[in-house]
Amino acid sequence: DGGITQSPKYLFRKEGQNVTLSCEQNLNHDAMYWYRQDPGQGLRLIYYSQIVNDFQKGDIAEGYSVSREKKESFPLTVTSAQKNPTAFYLCASSIASYSNQPQHFGDGTRLSIL
Amino acid sequence: QQPVQSPQAVILREGEDAVINCSSSKALYSVHWYRQKHGEAPVFLMILLKGGEQKGHEKISASFNEKKQQSSLYLTASQLSYSGTYFCGTLYNRDAGGTSYGKLTFGQGTILTVHP
Repeated sequence: DGGITQSPKYLFRKEGQNVTLSCEQNLNHDAMYWYRQDPGQGLRLIYYSQIVNDFQKGDIAEGYSVSREKKESFPLTVTSAQKNPTAFYLCASSIASYSNQPQHFGDGTRLSIL
Repeated sequence: QQPVQSPQAVILREGEDAVINCSSSKALYSVHWYRQKHGEAPVFLMILLKGGEQKGHEKISASFNEKKQQSSLYLTASQLSYSGTYFCGTLYNRDAGGTSYGKLTFGQGTILTVHP
């Protein structure tokens, strides 16, 4: 079955540490996204990528970095510069970012500070 | 700019109806609706394109009022399984300017609780 796999499901970060969240899709989608969700709030876009080797900042990119070396993979690194990283992180993909196609979401990674 | 959803929360008994609104201050190209159960991934419900289109999904339908830049989600004869948080995501017209075109901007969500 096609879908999006995020790992790990739970992640703990020590102060000053960078951590990387994995997102893999086998839907053959060109566009991929990273969202952050805080309790009681909507989804805020961190970064998105329309094609391989290209990505753009979303609304809250500070303290995060991404890469898109392969079509199926879009890892997110939460750097030590992100002072409040505790949140639920969702990865999504769609056929293309400029289309009216739905976004398909992974099951999320819950990140906490130790 | 984030679309505004109303109400923030709704409590229903099984079989009752509800309406969730999503309003934007910028010209909309389309509106996406998603439902998220607690701790799970959002699930796609439907997409509305500008032109006042109305679509349906089981007993859930939606409309898009281009003049008001607003979309409404209608849940009829609600079931327990409808409980969750509903999000609208808006895609803006190219001429709205800025960098919003081509990426969804989500509302803050509406929490729907259906009781037996």
